[in-house]
Amino acid sequence: DAGVTQSPTHLIKTRGQQVTLRCSPKSGHDTVSWYQQALGQGPQFIFQYYEEEERQRGNFPDRFSGHQFPNYSSELNVNALLLGDSALYLCASSAVGANVLTFGAGSRLTVL
Amino acid sequence: QKEVEQDPGPLSVPEGAIVSLNCTYSNSAFQYFMWYRQYSRKGPELLMYTYSSGNKEDGRFTAQVDKSSKYISLFIRDSQPSDSATYLCAIYGGATNKLIFGTGTLLAVQP
Repeated sequence: DAGVTQSPTHLIKTRGQQVTLRCSPKSGHDTVSWYQQALGQGPQFIFQYYEEEERQRGNFPDRFSGHQFPNYSSELNVNALLLGDSALYLCASSAVGANVLTFGAGSRLTVL
Repeated sequence: QKEVEQDPGPLSVPEGAIVSLNCTYSNSAFQYFMWYRQYSRKGPELLMYTYSSGNKEDGRFTAQVDKSSKYISLFIRDSQPSDSATYLCAIYGGATNKLIFGTGTLLAVQP
């Protein structure tokens, strides 16, 4: 079992650009959550997807959007990148209703 | 006030020491309490999961919850250099079904 896989591992963008991050959940999991982890901080909840719909959202602007596909994989899109968007973006999966999350290794985004 | 408060450290201890990591939380509606360990350049991994007040032990690790004080702790006995990582407390429950993390405590166990 590969667990949660994320791509790309690292990427560098410039201000104003757009980025798409991808996540494949652990086998048997159908719910995907995205977190942003700034350097030296704990992960901050962005949103959660289940049945291809956004079920819950944290305190993030509309520049952050997502999608879940029928195979439960997910994408996180960030538009109009700001320097402050530089962070480790973590994808976590779980079975529906479960509160234990399995995390991927993350995608490290640097915005210059 | 943050929903979860955690001392960021860093905390440096000699090998074999007992480590105590702590968090406080503000909302008494929170029901589930977890500790995640995060190695450098890796995602968090679940270490301990507790529901009720009291202690839960797993090998060298003990998780303690005091709901009356809204205080959770993680104790590591006989600490090893391989325990060097960031330890994140996380809570779940209340009105929102999302996992809320503390800032994490960076632990270094010196050989």
